[in-house]
Amino acid sequence: QKEVEQNSGPLSVPEGAIASLNCTYSDRGSQSFFWYRQYSGKSPELIMFIYSNGDKEDGRFTAQLNKASQYVSLLIRDSQPSDSATYLCAVMTHADGLTFGKGTHLIIQP
Amino acid sequence: NAGVTQTPKFQVLKTGQSMTLQCAQDMNHNSMYWYRQDPGMGLRLIYYSASEGTTDKGEVPNGYNVSRLNKREFSLRLESAAPSQTSVYFCASRGQPGETQYFGPGTRLLVL
Repeated sequence: QKEVEQNSGPLSVPEGAIASLNCTYSDRGSQSFFWYRQYSGKSPELIMFIYSNGDKEDGRFTAQLNKASQYVSLLIRDSQPSDSATYLCAVMTHADGLTFGKGTHLIIQP
Repeated sequence: NAGVTQTPKFQVLKTGQSMTLQCAQDMNHNSMYWYRQDPGMGLRLIYYSASEGTTDKGEVPNGYNVSRLNKREFSLRLESAAPSQTSVYFCASRGQPGETQYFGPGTRLLVL
């Protein structure tokens, strides 16, 4: 059984601070890792993807992957109220779709 | 380029009724997926189709059937709806292995 674990939150972060979202996964064969953002009542939208160990930066977002520890994280710098959403960690192995965590609800406080 | 489209947006069914959820993508993607999302349960894979002509069960396939009509379209059928199938259903598609999936806007289904 492939599992992806996230703290459900809510995680409350002051505006302008760094939000840190964490995810662990059980399947060591996992190869691709994704972070999606989902606003209430909307579909998931891709924020970041990462395949290799280390950091990957895209604007205010940084994804971090540590395959040895089976750990993925997402950092959001200079957090804005518009970043308030649920963040879904997803892991892909082969062709059988994504396994999602239950999501972390992030609240950016103005 | 509409991406992934789903119909209907919202549906109310009575227990025992049947219905088909439609999904289409215009990105020439090979793989298509159906997920359901329930509060506290996250997104769970129902069925997927790795390529035209193939379908496979995901994590929660019971009570559902699928058809990959052609490369563009992937439908999900509930033969005899149950209240436990009340959920939000998302269709997704993907190009090459390892690439991300793109999601449709979702169908909200209420089974009374």
